[in-house]
Amino acid sequence: AQSVTQPDIHITVSEGASLELRCNYSYGATPYLFWYVQSPGQGLQLLLKYFSGDTLVQGIKGFEAEFKRSQSSFNLRKPSVHWSDAAEYFCAVGDNFNKFYFGSGTKLNVKP
Amino acid sequence: DVKVTQSSRYLVKRTGEKVFLECVQDMDHENMFWYRQDPGLGLRLIYFSYDVKMKEKGDIPEGYSVSREKKERFSLILESASTNQTSMYLCASSQTSARGNPFFGPGTRLTVL
Repeated sequence: AQSVTQPDIHITVSEGASLELRCNYSYGATPYLFWYVQSPGQGLQLLLKYFSGDTLVQGIKGFEAEFKRSQSSFNLRKPSVHWSDAAEYFCAVGDNFNKFYFGSGTKLNVKP
Repeated sequence: DVKVTQSSRYLVKRTGEKVFLECVQDMDHENMFWYRQDPGLGLRLIYFSYDVKMKEKGDIPEGYSVSREKKERFSLILESASTNQTSMYLCASSQTSARGNPFFGPGTRLTVL
């Protein structure tokens, strides 16, 4: 069965520092991969998605993610974090039957 | 601006009540979903619909049912609400192609007393 693991429940980084959020998936075929962000009291917003092609994907708000098939990973990165990036981040995988499976989320705290 | 709307942001019900959560999308999407979001558990799929009157169970369908009579509307029904169904409920929709990412509604925070 498909599954998504986000090993870090909470991460704290200083403003201006770089960020990497980890995501590992389990899926037998070529996955469709997504990162969403949920700010406090807000709905889920799509940051970026990967379907095929270039394994480095650019998203909104300066985020990028890299698909590594050999490691079954799709880690999210940002070179310089802003205080407004404090939120919860969810990784998701879509299968060929139009279902989407989400990880348990990583809460990002940004120190001034 | 494309939208997924949910009928209530906050809802308080009593144990044993029948509860209806409504979701409407204006993007002409074939697929619609109901997820439940709990701290530390992420989003768990309750039910999925890929066409009018078509539905499929997700990972946690027990205690829930769904209805999709029109393409734009997908309802989640708690036949007899219980306290362990207190949660945030998120509706989403997507295109039929696997290239369509889900669009989410704002969520309904349901409290069952």
